[in-house]
Amino acid sequence: SQQGEEDPQALSIQEGENATMNCSYKTSINNLQWYRQNSGRGLVHLILIRSNEREKHSGRLRVTLDTSKKSSSLLITASRAADTASYFCLTGTYKYIFGTGTRLKVLA
Amino acid sequence: KAGVTQTPRYLIKTRGQQVTLSCSPISGHRSVSWYQQTPGQGLQFLFEYFSETQRNKGNFPGRFSGRQFSNSRSEMNVSTLELGDSALYLCASSLDRSEGYTFGSGTRLTVV
Repeated sequence: SQQGEEDPQALSIQEGENATMNCSYKTSINNLQWYRQNSGRGLVHLILIRSNEREKHSGRLRVTLDTSKKSSSLLITASRAADTASYFCLTGTYKYIFGTGTRLKVLA
Repeated sequence: KAGVTQTPRYLIKTRGQQVTLSCSPISGHRSVSWYQQTPGQGLQFLFEYFSETQRNKGNFPGRFSGRQFSNSRSEMNVSTLELGDSALYLCASSLDRSEGYTFGSGTRLTVV
């Protein structure tokens, strides 16, 4: 079963635009993590935000967390063609469960 | 430092056979988790091991099992393979689950 639901399921934007994807989850969490997956291969850890944090930045990535709404958003600024990938949130306390993912396509 | 190594990368098996997949975590990482990824079900949690003990288990039948050795290397075994077991199996390691995971490239299992 999926802990997180992500939306949109798919997103297509032009290079240079910002991309925003959202993750909603069901139970309490210790932290929320975002991962990127290219072409069905291994996942790459992007950023981790703890339950007592509200916002975190890493390079072109900005993550927000609203524990009252059980939701998080990932913003990728000034997107590049290389950002084309699937993005997943991972949430949990003892058992970490992935969301359904957002397929991002950045057009050059 | 070396990443998470999964072997083999590709595997083709026949229905009814069994298979063993291997995962070598990053040196020093004691937590190893396994996930199954299929187009229909997405990324599903299989189990997590920490210091040779299974800490958590997902909702998979008993045909799916795993273990972790004293050097933190982990194996997962699937017995009596079914067509639906065809998937990408991903292994991830971490110092502790609260610190984020490093994933291997996965083993793509095809059951025919």
